[in-house]
Amino acid sequence: GAGVSQSPSNKVTEKGKDVELRCDPISGHTALYWYRQRLGQGLEFLIYFQGNSAPDKSGLPSDRFSAERTGESVSTLTIQRTQQEDSAVYLCASSPGGSGNTIYFGEGSWLTVV
Amino acid sequence: GQNIDQPTEMTATEGAIVQINCTYQTSGFNGLFWYQQHAGEAPTFLSYNVLDGLEEKGRFSSFLSRSKGYSYLLLKELQMKDSASYLCAVRDDYKLSFGAGTTVTVRA
Repeated sequence: GAGVSQSPSNKVTEKGKDVELRCDPISGHTALYWYRQRLGQGLEFLIYFQGNSAPDKSGLPSDRFSAERTGESVSTLTIQRTQQEDSAVYLCASSPGGSGNTIYFGEGSWLTVV
Repeated sequence: GQNIDQPTEMTATEGAIVQINCTYQTSGFNGLFWYQQHAGEAPTFLSYNVLDGLEEKGRFSSFLSRSKGYSYLLLKELQMKDSASYLCAVRDDYKLSFGAGTTVTVRA
């Protein structure tokens, strides 16, 4: 597609439930990133994919968080047993790869845990 | 690790100029990016510097000094629509690390 697409755009879930967030990167982009942004705060890096591999998962906050990428395209971020502190916007970004390339962001998935 | 600092807030008048400074200490460097983020929206790319000097793009310019670990974003002829958060980000080998952002408010 023309840009990075994320779904759902908004999700309200009960504490303890699992959620899945989806990202469709720009076609042909080999690098894919997930970031988290809590209200009024900066972007926190979660995970980086190159192709279908994740060489850097260092930002995942706990073992409740996992992500996968298939077909060098779609990625899913899964949060198990959600907690209220997980409430944030989850931003996906993609890049053609290579150190000089711009990273483009999607509109984000706004997660509220009640 | 990465340490990226920028002011929290700035206010300026429509038509004026504002300069947002960013200082960084990072373990690797492959460029410095500036993004604009309106409330409730995704960050949008503004500029990229990898070599020292000034990059100009319309009303927006960005400067980099790698030896000083310093960059600034210059916004000229401010418009009301420029009210937003401006994010400074440093790239290491592959990922961006972000500062907390500077909220710019443009007053009439």
